[in-house]
Amino acid sequence: AQTVTQSQPEMSVQEAETVTLSCTYDTSESDYYLFWYKQPPSRQMILVIRQEAYKQQNATENRFSVNFQKAAKSFSLKISDSQLGDAAMYFCAYRRAYNNNDMRFGAGTRLTVKP
Amino acid sequence: DGGITQSPKYLFRKEGQNVTLSCEQNLNHDAMYWYRQDPGQGLRLIYYSQIVNDFQKGDIAEGYSVSREKKESFPLTVTSAQKNPTAFYLCASSTEQGAAFFGPGTRLTVL
Repeated sequence: AQTVTQSQPEMSVQEAETVTLSCTYDTSESDYYLFWYKQPPSRQMILVIRQEAYKQQNATENRFSVNFQKAAKSFSLKISDSQLGDAAMYFCAYRRAYNNNDMRFGAGTRLTVKP
Repeated sequence: DGGITQSPKYLFRKEGQNVTLSCEQNLNHDAMYWYRQDPGQGLRLIYYSQIVNDFQKGDIAEGYSVSREKKESFPLTVTSAQKNPTAFYLCASSTEQGAAFFGPGTRLTVL
């Protein structure tokens, strides 16, 4: 089974600064999707960003961008100009492209934003 | 508005009881999932379904059961065989190549 590893249980960042959250994954597939989800204290899971493995260009969504390194099986999330509302748990997730079932999540990184 | 609903928000179970968690979506998604989240941990896959009348076990299916009689609905039953059911349960749905969208969750506590 595919595995997703987030090696940073906790991270903190100063407001307005930049922070990078790490994620690595293990797969033998060539086509797949990668995601970052945010879970604030409300516990609602919110999609932050998505990356298709066949695309070389890194995905960006406003202040959020990824560094996708397919050969290294690495998928980090960069948050620029951090805001207090960015404080949450962040989960990295993997999913095979041609089969719905393997939506796998990492253990999460708790991000604290300091004013 | 399109979305996923889960009910109830909070559920209490006595020892030896079966309880059913509801999950409904009106997004016309084929795939639906159930995840369990324990405090400070990630999401673990319980069951998933790609089409109506078909579902597969995830990593921690023991003590749980599901049905998928309608595209919109994917209820999860926590049986008495589940020895440690206290957790937060999340339901999600997705298209074949899309991201998963999640419901608000159900908090289950064993009394």
